[in-house]
Amino acid sequence: QITLKESGPTLVKPTQTLTLTCTFSGFSLTTGGEGVGWIRQAPGKALEWLGHIRWDGDTWYSPSLKTRLSITKDTSKSQVVLTMTNMDPVDTATYYCAHRRGWELFKWFGPWGQGTLVTVSS
Amino acid sequence: EIVMTQSPATLSVSPGERVTLSCRASQSVGINLAWYQQKPGQAPWLLFYDASTRTTGVPARFSGSGSGTEFSLTISSLQSEDFAVYYCQHYYSWPTFGQGTKVEIK
Repeated sequence: QITLKESGPTLVKPTQTLTLTCTFSGFSLTTGGEGVGWIRQAPGKALEWLGHIRWDGDTWYSPSLKTRLSITKDTSKSQVVLTMTNMDPVDTATYYCAHRRGWELFKWFGPWGQGTLVTVSS
Repeated sequence: EIVMTQSPATLSVSPGERVTLSCRASQSVGINLAWYQQKPGQAPWLLFYDASTRTTGVPARFSGSGSGTEFSLTISSLQSEDFAVYYCQHYYSWPTFGQGTKVEIK
């Protein structure tokens, strides 16, 4: 059974850097085809793909956020870390990590973690 | 960017009714399309990938179809647990999601 869980701060100040950790089980990021994605959802809004990391360390980011994002993995801890710089109130959202599997660059996501709400406010 | 447009934004239906949700892509995505269900306060749940492949645990009353730019999700007989928001997502290139269709009780 695959499970994922996000952790990190619930409140960050504008201009600060957000760091979120996704801890997963049921698969390994050393196995070919495996990957983890990050998706966010502003309150009452639709889903927005942020990026993902694949088993081989390859990363892909949303073009609109590319300059602010970094996704890394720690296979020994079964964790993936999302870093987003220069946070703004418009970045207030629930941040989800999700499993993705497949050799193609882009895939669907499932299952998802429960999500963590991050509020950006001074 | 490929824009995904879902319609309608809201569907008011009665239990037992048949419903069809629409998802349109701004350019062809082949069958590289997924559907998710999201209930209040919960994470999205993957229902279909490759437009029509049902994932484990999805009831048979759900079906997905389409290719290219036009896709649909059909629920043959709506149950109380099906009231939720449904999102489509393409993965032909960097993924984008539709704005969602809320299925609410009439």
